[in-house]
Amino acid sequence: DADVTQTPRNRITKTGKRIMLECSQTKGHDRMYWYRQDPGLGLQLIYYSFDVKDINKGEISDGYSVSRQAQAKFSLSLESAIPNQTALYFCATSDARQAQETQYFGPGTRLLVL
Amino acid sequence: GEDVEQSLFLSVREGDSSVINCTYTDSSSTYLYWYKQEPGAGLQLLTYIFSNMDMKQDQRLTVLLNKKDKHLSLRIADTQTGDSAIYFCAESGGGATNKLIFGTGTLLAVQP
Repeated sequence: DADVTQTPRNRITKTGKRIMLECSQTKGHDRMYWYRQDPGLGLQLIYYSFDVKDINKGEISDGYSVSRQAQAKFSLSLESAIPNQTALYFCATSDARQAQETQYFGPGTRLLVL
Repeated sequence: GEDVEQSLFLSVREGDSSVINCTYTDSSSTYLYWYKQEPGAGLQLLTYIFSNMDMKQDQRLTVLLNKKDKHLSLRIADTQTGDSAIYFCAESGGGATNKLIFGTGTLLAVQP
């Protein structure tokens, strides 16, 4: 079974709709991240969380919100989706106890906003 | 600000060596990483190097770090068609914040 899972894997929605993307992990990591990837670009950090009570904005947080419901779950919401939020969204986790603190990525959620 | 740059494409023939290059700007980076993304999949960590190392070898992969020039490279020996993917370089400052700054990725196309 995958250590980092994301649901849904694909989603098509309309402008103005509220969307939630979910991420779960079984790695026991304390830190979780949400990134978006646009064609031809690297990954951009949206939000990150170092533990259940800690939420931080990344480079491109406008238009997004997050919730860390438990150590294993970190969800990303688009309150009112717009077409330029069409992208591939990745969740990642890391363990602060590791010196190199590698990030482990989920398979991604492909989102299309019409 | 922090920036990581890579060329967008690299094409090699099967059996040749591939060298993917990356330049970064944050001299305080503690670790530098190479991730691989296969079509339709998430990012998979290939290898990483600590900033006080010059070289790291792992089977067919060799990572070279020139800290003075802020240049990182990934060499894949005996490149196979299964190595075709996008390769991302990333830097991390470590410490209290583990924000990874990713490059745009290099698409490696392996010709049979």
